[in-house]
Amino acid sequence: QVQLVQSGAEVKKPGSSVKISCKASGGTFRSFIISWVRQAPGQGLEWMGGITPVFETANYTQKFQGRLTITTDESTSTAYMELRSLRSEDTAVYYCARNRGGEPGPAGFDPWGQGTLVTVSS
Amino acid sequence: DIQMIQSPSSLSASVGDRVTITCQASQDISYYLNWYQQKPGKAPKLLIYDASNLETGVPSRFRGSGFGTHFTFTISSLQPEDIATYYCQPYDNLFGQGTRLEIK
Repeated sequence: QVQLVQSGAEVKKPGSSVKISCKASGGTFRSFIISWVRQAPGQGLEWMGGITPVFETANYTQKFQGRLTITTDESTSTAYMELRSLRSEDTAVYYCARNRGGEPGPAGFDPWGQGTLVTVSS
Repeated sequence: DIQMIQSPSSLSASVGDRVTITCQASQDISYYLNWYQQKPGKAPKLLIYDASNLETGVPSRFRGSGFGTHFTFTISSLQPEDIATYYCQPYDNLFGQGTRLEIK
């Protein structure tokens, strides 16, 4: 059973950066596609980007190009999401999720991490 | 880019009611559509993948159907624990706007 556990809540100043971790247990980490999805307060789900550890290749939605970096560390089965030049609009809960689309079998994002609240405030 | 319209944005129904949510794609997406349930303060949970396949462990009152551009998510008999927001996902990088489901 795959599980994803994320790092804890963060409070950041505008203009700073945040780096969130997502540690996987169970399954074969290098074969996963890990996606990052965020949810601003009271809003819907927004896909940010994803990475396949075995290829070390990340793709990002245009909105975050240049501010977002997604990486993995296979030795610890951990994915990371770093968002730079933070602004108040980046206040949100950030989720990691395994995208099963990269593996044989059923599709969809499952499981999800528990979410990490990032608050950007001066 | 593909556009997705999910409706309604909110819905109020009584326990035992049949509830239906739709997602309309701007272009043919075949059967590539997933449905998620999100309860307040919790991460989304995958309920249905590839339009009509029930995720393991999900109650059979949840059903998905559709192909191409029009998709439907149905709860056959609403239960109190179904109160949540539901999202469709046509592709990895896009989610519908969400439907907030409340008990009448």
